[in-house]
Amino acid sequence: EVQLVESGGGLVQPGGSLRLSCAASGFIFRNYAMHWVRQAPGKGLEYVSSIGDNAVNTHYADSVRGRFTISRDNSKNTLFFEMGSLRTEDTALYYCARDGPTGFTFDVWGQGTMVTVSS
Amino acid sequence: QSALTQPASVSGSPGQSITISCTGTSSDVGAYDYVSWYQQHPGSAPKLMIYDVSNRPSGVSNRFSGSKSGNTASLTISGLQAEDDADYYCNSYTRYSAPYVFGTGTKVTVL
Repeated sequence: EVQLVESGGGLVQPGGSLRLSCAASGFIFRNYAMHWVRQAPGKGLEYVSSIGDNAVNTHYADSVRGRFTISRDNSKNTLFFEMGSLRTEDTALYYCARDGPTGFTFDVWGQGTMVTVSS
Repeated sequence: QSALTQPASVSGSPGQSITISCTGTSSDVGAYDYVSWYQQHPGSAPKLMIYDVSNRPSGVSNRFSGSKSGNTASLTISGLQAEDDADYYCNSYTRYSAPYVFGTGTKVTVL
């Protein structure tokens, strides 16, 4: 079964840092680009970041560029998201998602991990 | 880079057809045939329903169809069923520095 399981969320103070992980199983992880998408409580989906299958190409939303870093370890089938200089507006459920076989889609999603930024 | 524009809500009776619009610009929806649609039930992760404007992933009902004209994409749900009651989001690849943008979301209510 194709599966993505996020972890690492929690409560952090403004200005703090957090590292999210996404464990992949049931598919050849190294063959797929991966994404992070977030959803603030009661709000819509927001694209956050992407990384290519070989980890060379990365992309970020303007709202997180320079503060967050996406990475991956293909030997461990794991996607990472280093979040720094956190702001209250970063509070959201963070989903990892797999890029579709034809690209340009988010075809498999995890259940998300909640990040709360509050003092 | 702004979110794609969707109607906040659309409703219909069982068996009817509804259409959700997704309006962008010539730098996103109008630039590529890489529009996808996602269904999200409360408390659940989104589910891919349509990709590349009009293609359905395996397992998605053929009651769901997609199209695009200019800067506007559309999702049509025919033969509306109670299980279709959910939020729907469009997404497009873009020419901007951030390569993807989601729509504002549409709440579909089955009356």
